[in-house]
Amino acid sequence: EAEVAQSPRYKITEKSQAVAFWCDPISGHATLYWYRQILGQGPELLVQFQDESVVDDSQLPKDRFSAERLKGVDSTLKIQPAELGDSAMYLCASSPGWGLTYNEQFFGPGTRLTVL
Amino acid sequence: QQQVKQSPQSLIVQKGGISIINCAYENTAFDYFPWYQQFPGKGPALLIAIRPDVSEKKEGRFTISFNKSAKQFSLHIMDSQPGDSATYFCAPGGDYKLSFGAGTTVTVRA
Repeated sequence: EAEVAQSPRYKITEKSQAVAFWCDPISGHATLYWYRQILGQGPELLVQFQDESVVDDSQLPKDRFSAERLKGVDSTLKIQPAELGDSAMYLCASSPGWGLTYNEQFFGPGTRLTVL
Repeated sequence: QQQVKQSPQSLIVQKGGISIINCAYENTAFDYFPWYQQFPGKGPALLIAIRPDVSEKKEGRFTISFNKSAKQFSLHIMDSQPGDSATYFCAPGGDYKLSFGAGTTVTVRA
């Protein structure tokens, strides 16, 4: 069964350092999402891509966060510099982006970030 | 997330019992109503979803009931099993976006 891949699974860093997360969506999925999930809360959308284009980054803290999906396949989310409040699970999801199931989102296992 | 309210925050049920989780939303433009299941350390997984043209959908032990006029939908877990112990999120949405509730932690006692 096709799955969304993410790496690393766990990341510990010190504040002010740079971190990067990688996501490989399900093959053929045009839409890719990055979410942040704070412990005990639901996922919150950070950025949404349609192919290689950003369609929504309104909740992305652009002073320190950046995201790219250069070839419209895999994606990278970067934080520089990391702050203590960035400690969370970072989830990637993908969606077919078309057809009757276009709203269905499939999530990866996430990257657990701890900032010390 | 303020436009989606999920209740209860947590619940404990005996094995074989029924778990009921409710979700209220404000955005009348939503046209897709899913429930996601998440185990500790894992990403959410789609459990069951409904579209607004039907009032109920059943898949195995899981049922969604949808009340469009009240802007509410609920998840019923019948014959709850210990393996159902997880956090459940409603995530109504549309137009390629989902709005997640805060989650309900379900514990099934053997």
